[in-house]
Amino acid sequence: DADVTQTPRNRITKTGKRIMLECSQTKGHDRMYWYRQDPGLGLRLIYYSFDVKDINKGEISDGYSVSRQAQAKFSLSLESAIPNQTALYFCATSDLSGRGVNEQFFGPGTRLTVL
Amino acid sequence: QKEVEQNSGPLSVPEGAIASLNCTYSDRVSQSFFWYRQYSGKSPELIMSIYSNGDKEDGRFTAQLNKASQYVSLLIRDSQPSDSATYLCAVNSNYQLIWGAGTKLIIKP
Repeated sequence: DADVTQTPRNRITKTGKRIMLECSQTKGHDRMYWYRQDPGLGLRLIYYSFDVKDINKGEISDGYSVSRQAQAKFSLSLESAIPNQTALYFCATSDLSGRGVNEQFFGPGTRLTVL
Repeated sequence: QKEVEQNSGPLSVPEGAIASLNCTYSDRVSQSFFWYRQYSGKSPELIMSIYSNGDKEDGRFTAQLNKASQYVSLLIRDSQPSDSATYLCAVNSNYQLIWGAGTKLIIKP
């Protein structure tokens, strides 16, 4: 089945460490997104990419960077992790070419804990 | 600041009854609206999309859109305990989705 996968699923790290979260998709979608979710705050957009050469900052990009290695791969990095980056991180994809304008499909998420 | 507002709940509904979830949005030019279901610790799952004023039905789910009032709702008929989840409303605005914080729905057996 066409799918969105994320690795790792869980990660515990220490303050100051560099962390990379990876996302891969087999849906053939051009657009990919990184969100974080905190209890009671809903989903907040970190970065998004409309194709391999297009990267855009979202609402809360400070402290994060991304890399779009291929159409199917989009990675999120925390250069120097801090405790308030402890959250659930989701990757999502969408395809604007169809009727479902910006229907987004999510990976299973990565639970990140920064001590 | 474009916003999507939802009552956080929890909304408690008896099994077999109709659950009604509501969402208002601020961006008047939005054309696409979505309802996602999220179980605790899991990822959001798209359950309904709606683009035109009126009702759209899919099985036990009905989405309702009123662009003049900037209002979207989701009705769940014959509610089941498995419908207990958080329901997220999302509105497409300038190629991004603006998300509500979600309504927690509890279906009581």
